[in-house]
Amino acid sequence: DTAVSQTPKYLVTQMGNDKSIKCEQNLGHDTMYWYKQDSKKFLKIMFSYNNKELIINETVPNRFSPKSPDKAHLNLHINSLELGDSAVYFCASSQVSAGRGYGYTFGSGTRLTVV
Amino acid sequence: AQTVTQSQPEMSVQEAETVTLSCTYDTSESDYYLFWYKQPPSRQMILVIRQEAYKQQNATENRFSVNFQKAAKSFSLKISDSQLGDAAMYFCAYRSTSGTYKYIFGTGTRLKVLA
Repeated sequence: DTAVSQTPKYLVTQMGNDKSIKCEQNLGHDTMYWYKQDSKKFLKIMFSYNNKELIINETVPNRFSPKSPDKAHLNLHINSLELGDSAVYFCASSQVSAGRGYGYTFGSGTRLTVV
Repeated sequence: AQTVTQSQPEMSVQEAETVTLSCTYDTSESDYYLFWYKQPPSRQMILVIRQEAYKQQNATENRFSVNFQKAAKSFSLKISDSQLGDAAMYFCAYRSTSGTYKYIFGTGTRLKVLA
């Protein structure tokens, strides 16, 4: 059973299109995250939801919109895709309310290629 | 703001030998967590080891151990008896114990294991 699953694993699309990446976790965690890993492998947080409430919204173009219908799901919708959006996008979850020391559980990533 | 620095973009180690990956960080907080994650070519992010700043004892997980020097803000990872399967990108990460619990990642070290 996959703990944090992302779909699709690969996404190739043309500039200007709109696309979504879905994430689901079956760990019962209360917090979910989206990270972007660029071509140099640098990981940077984009968004985080805690119990469906947006708690982190880093400096990200407003073409990116997260949506959390419930605490087990966090989707990422991207409008008007640009070449620079090409990256690997990771979903992660953690149990923040449990307090100390819990690391993230990551999904396997979605490689987005904009052509 | 916290920062994490990994000064070794790439390291090599002979199979069965020991290698140490460096990580330094900057923070004004006294309580926090530090992590090492492994990212093999499959791109899955795998938690290797975790250290709580309030614990002086260095964490150990099988062949993986850390040297945590809080005053020096240093958190190095030692891999003993290196195996071919250890070849991967290794990321050091910092996480606060308050606020949004987001990770701050270093830029990663690519580890090559030579047969």
